[in-house]
Amino acid sequence: AQKITQTQPGMFVQEKEAVTLDCTYDTSDQSYGLFWYKQPSSGEMIFLIYQGSYDEQNATEGRYSLNFQKARKSANLVISASQLGDSAMYFCAMVRGSTLGRLYFGRGTQLTVWP
Amino acid sequence: NAGVTQTPKFRVLKTGQSMTLLCAQDMNHEYMYWYRQDPGMGLRLIHYSVGEGTTAKGEVPDGYNVSRLKKQNFLLGLESAAPSQTSVYFCASSTRQTGRDEAFFGQGTRLTVV
Repeated sequence: AQKITQTQPGMFVQEKEAVTLDCTYDTSDQSYGLFWYKQPSSGEMIFLIYQGSYDEQNATEGRYSLNFQKARKSANLVISASQLGDSAMYFCAMVRGSTLGRLYFGRGTQLTVWP
Repeated sequence: NAGVTQTPKFRVLKTGQSMTLLCAQDMNHEYMYWYRQDPGMGLRLIHYSVGEGTTAKGEVPDGYNVSRLKKQNFLLGLESAAPSQTSVYFCASSTRQTGRDEAFFGQGTRLTVV
C-alpha cells in the first residue's frame, strides 16, 4: 500500500519565486517522522528537512520549510526564492515509529526552475 | 568525511552472472539499508539490518541476499542477475541517537543487466 503520495510528477517555477511541493502520507502510528530529499541530475540523495510528528512548529532549514498539517496528513515542502540549482527531483519520505528507521518514499516530483 | 561509500559505482552484468555490492559507513550507525530506484517508482527497500549479524527483508527482497558481518559493512548480493534487476541501488545508514532516524545515503550504484 502506498504510504507516501506525491501527486505532482513535474512542477515548473520561475527563478526567485516560491514553490510548494505536495506530499500526503498514511500511517496509524502516533510517532513518525517526515523527510524531504533532493536528488539532482548527478544522482545523489541530499537531505533537506525533517519534521517529527510531535513537533508543534513547522520545520525550517534556510530557504526550505515544511508545511505540516497533521490532521490532513500532509507535509508539503515550500522552497522560497527558487534558484536555478534547485532544479532536481524531490522525494518525500516517512519513517514510522515501529519500523526502526526504514524510510517509505513517494514517487517524487521533478522541479524545474527557469530563468 | 567519507560517510557512506558504495562500491562499485557502475556495473554491467550478463543475465545469470552474480555480483556483490559493498556498502561501507564510518559513522558507527546501527542501521543500514539497501534500496533500489526505478523510474517513476521512488526508492524501494530491498533489505535492511538493525545491527551486526542481523538482516531482514524489505519491500522487494526477491533475487537478493545480504550480509552484515561487520557493523560498518553491508553487502548486497545478486546470485543470478536478471534484466529486471537493472536499477540504481542506494545504500543508507542511520542512527536513533539523533532522535530522527535521518538516513545518510551513498552515491548510488548504477547496475545494468543485459
